[in-house]
Amino acid sequence: NAGVTQTPKFRVLKTGQSMTLLCAQDMNHEYMYWYRQDPGMGLRLIHYSVGEGTTAKGEVPDGYNVSRLKKQNFLLGLESAAPSQTSVYFCASVDRPNTEAFFGQGTRLTVV
Amino acid sequence: GENVEQHPSTLSVQEGDSAVIKCTYSDSASNYFPWYKQELGKRPQLIIDIRSNVGEKKDQRIAVTLNKTAKHFSLHITETQPEDSAVYFCAAGRSGGSYIPTFGRGTSLIVHP
Repeated sequence: NAGVTQTPKFRVLKTGQSMTLLCAQDMNHEYMYWYRQDPGMGLRLIHYSVGEGTTAKGEVPDGYNVSRLKKQNFLLGLESAAPSQTSVYFCASVDRPNTEAFFGQGTRLTVV
Repeated sequence: GENVEQHPSTLSVQEGDSAVIKCTYSDSASNYFPWYKQELGKRPQLIIDIRSNVGEKKDQRIAVTLNKTAKHFSLHITETQPEDSAVYFCAAGRSGGSYIPTFGRGTSLIVHP
């Protein structure tokens, strides 16, 4: 049972490049989330999904897109990376409301 | 939407002392309050949670208290040890509709040997 797995773990992008972060969970969870973590800012929600085929905007969605074509996968895309998107990105999944959130190991992204 | 405030942002204690981290929330409908610990370079992991029908919950050296009237909840760590050093996040969530756990900004706890 791997839990929540993020790919890649590290990445350096040049300004304007695009990339996709993959989050995969093997727990059959309905809810999935993408957060970014910046010093002193805690975990800020980028986008979330309440089930396969659904997505919604969170607190800081600008510059990101997401897709959840399969229940186990939640993809985060950066179409044109900017230095302000340098951050550590965490994916999380939840089985049902008011239960534990399981986090991936994080992706450290640097945009130069 | 929900807003969670967490204090202090940094807490430094001597080994063996107690540590208290406090959070307030804005949505009176929130009914689930988890706490996560994030060690350096690792992912956040749940350490304890409390639901709104309970005022206090303990698990060995850690405890959480909830005051629904005042809309605040606290994490208490007794007999702190160096391995307690980490960033701690509080969160609030509510059942019904889209489930979106909202996190505080985190508290960096440093336990000095």
